[in-house]
Amino acid sequence: SYELTQPPSVSVSPGQTASITCAGETWGDKFVSWYQQKPGQSPLLVIYLDYKRPSGIPERFSGSTSGNTATLTISGTQPMDEAEYYCQAWDTKAVIFGGGTKLTVL
Amino acid sequence: EVQLVQSGAEVKKPGESLRISCKVSGYTFSTYWIGWVRQLPGKGLEWMGIIYPGDSDVRYSPSFQGQVIISADKSINTTYLQWSSLQASDSAMYYCARHQIGYTFAYGDSWGQGTLVTASS
Repeated sequence: SYELTQPPSVSVSPGQTASITCAGETWGDKFVSWYQQKPGQSPLLVIYLDYKRPSGIPERFSGSTSGNTATLTISGTQPMDEAEYYCQAWDTKAVIFGGGTKLTVL
Repeated sequence: EVQLVQSGAEVKKPGESLRISCKVSGYTFSTYWIGWVRQLPGKGLEWMGIIYPGDSDVRYSPSFQGQVIISADKSINTTYLQWSSLQASDSAMYYCARHQIGYTFAYGDSWGQGTLVTASS
């Protein structure tokens, strides 16, 4: 089955740029989405169709893909961005989630 | 405003049946897929399956096929997730989410608040 691999944790200083990667075996024409989940809250869509931002998501959140890797980039990271981040793709009519990355802002 | 409101927390004994719900508003219920996602305590997101309320087409993750049933009632804009016999390992938070789906993409653009299910003797 298709798998998405994320680093378990990423640390960043406030104001710096955080990059969270999501590696797939073969990307092909799949699109990736990214979700933010803070403790005790539901997941929140922050990026869809590789790079699009839903209404209300700050411009500091951006997405990109290259080869077999998708990347969520948070520019000028703020303490409020500390959360778990999940990538997600659609493969053979099934939703696949990455294992999640804990972003620590310190 | 799109809203997905889930039923409240449940405490059941192993072996009991359970049905939790997700009531939507703010859009045409029958024209968007609704998915269910499990989150075990302290763990990541697991996709369980999706339903298209317009025709009740349901697709399950292989991991959950045969373990749960997903259904919908168009008359009350509600989708359901049910178990015939809960196990302790089903104790988790369950989320519903409206999905946008295409041939090469799917994403959940609106999420419910979650339903905590606890199965314990």
